[in-house]
Amino acid sequence: QLQLQESGPGLVKPSETLSLTCTVSGGSIRSSYYYWAWIRQPPGKGLEWIGSIYYSGSASSNPSLDSRVTLSIDTSKNQFSLKFFSVTAADTAVYYCARRLIVGTTTVFDYWGQGTQVTVSS
Amino acid sequence: SYELTQPPSVSVSPGQTARITCSGDRLGDKSPCWYQQRAGQSPVLLIYQDNKRPSGIPERFSASNSGNTATLTISGTQAMDEAEYFCQAWDSNVVFGEGTKLTVL
Repeated sequence: QLQLQESGPGLVKPSETLSLTCTVSGGSIRSSYYYWAWIRQPPGKGLEWIGSIYYSGSASSNPSLDSRVTLSIDTSKNQFSLKFFSVTAADTAVYYCARRLIVGTTTVFDYWGQGTQVTVSS
Repeated sequence: SYELTQPPSVSVSPGQTARITCSGDRLGDKSPCWYQQRAGQSPVLLIYQDNKRPSGIPERFSASNSGNTATLTISGTQAMDEAEYFCQAWDSNVVFGEGTKLTVL
């Protein structure tokens, strides 16, 4: 059974960089069928796609966040990572990693991590 | 940018049928999917490619999609179905609806 687990600091100061890692187990991250994604959910709000990365390192991100996001992948460790720059209180959220699958002309997220709470505060 | 609109809340009695809508421009062309998120848990994929269910998802969950509206239908709603439901589509970008809170009274 595929499992994803987020890790990283739960508290980040304003203007600093948020760094999270997702460790994938029960399957290889080096699959040509899947992308690996980050999604966040502010308290009491809906879901927001942050970005996705392919095992080759090719990445895409939400245009509204693109300038503050860097995605990377380490296939030797079966991990992928998110760096989110210049955070503010508005970036406080539960951050999920997920597996993204292209299905026909659309895309779905079929496996999710348990999520990690990140609070931006001084 | 593309937007998906869902009602904030829907209520249903146990055993009855719940319907949750998701609206967006020409959504019928976009094969939206649906997720269930129980309180304090991660989202779970319920429906994809308009009306396909991943392994383990009960048959009481179904969906339709036409024109500008997609509808998630839960037949014989159970107390365990009380959750937040999100639709999601692709329009040059991943787009989620705001979510609908289903209350089973």
